[in-house]
Amino acid sequence: GAGVSQTPSNKVTEKGKYVELRCDPISGHTALYWYRQSLGQGPEFLIYFQGTGAADDSGLPNDRFFAVRPEGSVSTLKIQRTERGDSAMYLCASSTQVNTEAFFGQGTRLTVV
Amino acid sequence: SQQGEEDPQALSIQEGENATMNCSYKTSINNLQWYRQNSGRGLVHLILIRSNEREKHSGRLRVTLDTSKKSSSLLITASRAADTASYFCATGGSSGDKLTFGTGTRLAVRP
Repeated sequence: GAGVSQTPSNKVTEKGKYVELRCDPISGHTALYWYRQSLGQGPEFLIYFQGTGAADDSGLPNDRFFAVRPEGSVSTLKIQRTERGDSAMYLCASSTQVNTEAFFGQGTRLTVV
Repeated sequence: SQQGEEDPQALSIQEGENATMNCSYKTSINNLQWYRQNSGRGLVHLILIRSNEREKHSGRLRVTLDTSKKSSSLLITASRAADTASYFCATGGSSGDKLTFGTGTRLAVRP
């Protein structure tokens, strides 16, 4: 595709449910990032991948959050037992390598009710 | 956690004026990047300046970097209403580290 694609664009879920957010990066980009952004704040780092492996997952807030990138392309961010405090915009980005220009998707707005 | 802080948090100017935003960061960096975000959706990359560069231009954008003060500035000249957005700086660490974003400046350009 032409850019980074994130699905769904909006997700409303009930507290306690499990959700999966998908990111389809630009073809050939080895680095993939997940960020979370609350209203009026900057993007907060969650995790980034180099290829299939998580190079740095230090931003994941707790063990309810997990992300995978099994084939080095599409990535899925998984949130178990969602809480209202998880409500935010979840942004995915990819780049040819870490530390270069990152291309962002349009985000998934998650609302936990 | 946020690496950088932008200053000011919000800026309102008249169309045609220049807008200057500043970014301060805490640790050593490989590069510093500026991004723009409209309406809380995806961010768009504007410009990247490496740690060994002091100034860079791209169209109406001018970025400076002072590594001794751990600060950068973004200047938008001859602003337009379409420049209204939030602007973020992001730093890349010196060892292949991830991009870490600042808190952002909300720019409003009045027509």
